[in-house]
This record gives sequence, structure tokens and C-alpha cells, in this order.
Amino acid sequence: GAGVSQSPSNKVTEKGKDVELRCDPISGHTALYWYRQRLGQGLEFLIYFQGNSAPDKSGLPSDRFSAERTGESVSTLTIQRTQQEDSAVYLCASSAPLAGGYNEQFFGPGTRLTVL
Amino acid sequence: AQRVTQPEKLLSVFKGAPVELKCNYSYSGSPELFWYVQYSRQRLQLLLRHISRESIKGFTADLNKGETSFHLKKPFAQEEDSAMYYCALQGNTDKLIFGTGTRLQVFP
Repeated sequence: GAGVSQSPSNKVTEKGKDVELRCDPISGHTALYWYRQRLGQGLEFLIYFQGNSAPDKSGLPSDRFSAERTGESVSTLTIQRTQQEDSAVYLCASSAPLAGGYNEQFFGPGTRLTVL
Repeated sequence: AQRVTQPEKLLSVFKGAPVELKCNYSYSGSPELFWYVQYSRQRLQLLLRHISRESIKGFTADLNKGETSFHLKKPFAQEEDSAMYYCALQGNTDKLIFGTGTRLQVFP
């Protein structure tokens, strides 16, 4: 079946513009995660959705970042007034609703954001 | 604070040589530890988790709570093992805390 998909695959924008990044999780996966990977750094957790709610937003770096999820499916990560330090690969992952223990996270291909 | 440290950015070995990718973690409770791998032009994917105690593609990793380490090992590296390897920790929430990654290059 289809894996996690993300769009666009690449986005180049000018400083100060807003961008929207989209994630389509695997069908039936109730948990959805956003991570960011800046050049030369590891993956940083941004936000986690369980269904439509976001119990953990602790990784969002500033109030310019927001995310929403509708109907336990698509999620959109929005970055307002982009800055050059926002340039990174944004990864989305989803996992299935298994009870207890670790639910493997399946990653999308990422969106490479470049802010000029 | 929760932290995962991978001290080596790059590890280069010849085919058939043993490989050990180091991972140390900082966490006050009992975490779950994982190794993720990203092959060239492919997605990040789970390689193995400490709880399953299995060998995947010849790789093993043992959780050493005393040394807070979870090093990834393979006795005989293959060229197809060349990839980026990330160690990750899961604490009492579902999010993963990743290390900065180690690029493994296996030369023929």
C-alpha cells in the first residue's frame, strides 16, 4: 500500500513569505508526527497529533510555526514570515493505533524548504 | 534532559571489516532505544529496536543501562550497508529524540 506522502517535495521561498507543507499519513494511522532536520543536525521533534488533537507541541520553535490535522488524515504545517534559519528538510511520520508499547513510525520522503 | 549522542559523523571501513556505530543517551527513566537507517535516495526507516533483541541485516545492538549506550554492531560490513544511521530514544511520550546521525561508508 501507499506510504506516507508529503508535498511539495521541494519549496523555495523568500524570507518573510508564508509556506504550507502537507502530509498524508498511511490510512488508518491515528498518530502523526512532524520533525525537522537542519543541515548537519539530527531530526528535531516539532509536534505530535493523536487523531485531530495535538497533545505535544513542545517542539514548535516559535509562534510562527503552527500545524493542524483534519479528520485523522491530512496534516498541514504552516510557517509564517519564514526566516533563513527555517531552511531544513521537514519530515512527517505516522504510526498505527496499537495498544501499549512502541508503534513504529513510518516516515515520508520529506519536504526540503529553502528560504532565500 | 533527554538527549542522544552519536559522536561520529562519518565512519569509513572496508568490506568485511567489523563495524560499531556508537550511541549514548541521557534519560532519567527507562527509555526505548532504536536505530533508524536512511539509504541513499530512500526514506528513513526503522532498522531495529532494543526490545526486540533481534538481528536485522546482520546488525545487532545491546542496551547497556550502566553505560547508557546502545551501540550498533555488525561483524562483517557489506557495501550495501553504506547509509546514514540514526540512534533514537523514546521516553514516556511517543515522540522520538534523534541523534545527529553517523554516515557509514563501506569501501569495496
